[in-house]
Amino acid sequence: AIQMTQSPSSLSASVGDRVTITCRASQGIRNDLGWYQQKPGKAPKLLIYAASSLESGVPSRFSGSGSGTDFTLTISSLQPEDFATYYCLQDYNYPRTFGQGTKVEIK
Amino acid sequence: EVQLVESGGGLVQPGGSLRLSCAASGFTFSKFWMTWVRQAPGKGLEWVADIKQDGSDKNYVDSVKGRFTISRDNGKNSLYLQMNSLRAEDTAVYYCARDGGNCTGGRCYDAFDIWGQGTMVTVSS
Repeated sequence: AIQMTQSPSSLSASVGDRVTITCRASQGIRNDLGWYQQKPGKAPKLLIYAASSLESGVPSRFSGSGSGTDFTLTISSLQPEDFATYYCLQDYNYPRTFGQGTKVEIK
Repeated sequence: EVQLVESGGGLVQPGGSLRLSCAASGFTFSKFWMTWVRQAPGKGLEWVADIKQDGSDKNYVDSVKGRFTISRDNGKNSLYLQMNSLRAEDTAVYYCARDGGNCTGGRCYDAFDIWGQGTMVTVSS
């Protein structure tokens, strides 16, 4: 199975900060990667698919980039509602695999 | 309203069985791949299984192969997960999700765009 490794595992940031989360695949996965946001006690929410395509209705402060093995999720200006855990997910092959998550906390 | 509602979770002894259901509404269920994702308490997300629109193709994570079976009934707009030989490590919240199959640049990608609220499965004696 392809291993997805996110970094950092957690970070503290302030409202208005630019935040970058990295996801690395154990082998090349083209651009077959999505990003999900999860708040405590809630189901995940799709943010990005195909590494860089913004899901409909998701604010434009979220962006994704990368291909092959290295991917990035960027929040250009962190808002109070963005404090959550973020997961990458590869859909290059089966089994699909998630990263371990990155928790974004308030500084 | 586009919605997925899971049911069937509960407490079961190791070695026991449970069947989860996911009722879909507000969209044409038969047009979408469907997926189960789980989350153990305090842990990250784990993809479990998916099924093609007509049920002809199914995929599983290795840890559940031979124990779990995903199925669907398009006439009832429902997705199922039959879980047998349950283990303590299967304890988790189980979510069903729709794969929107978003397409761009001539290719289509997994896009779990609609999720249920989750149902808790606890395997313990």
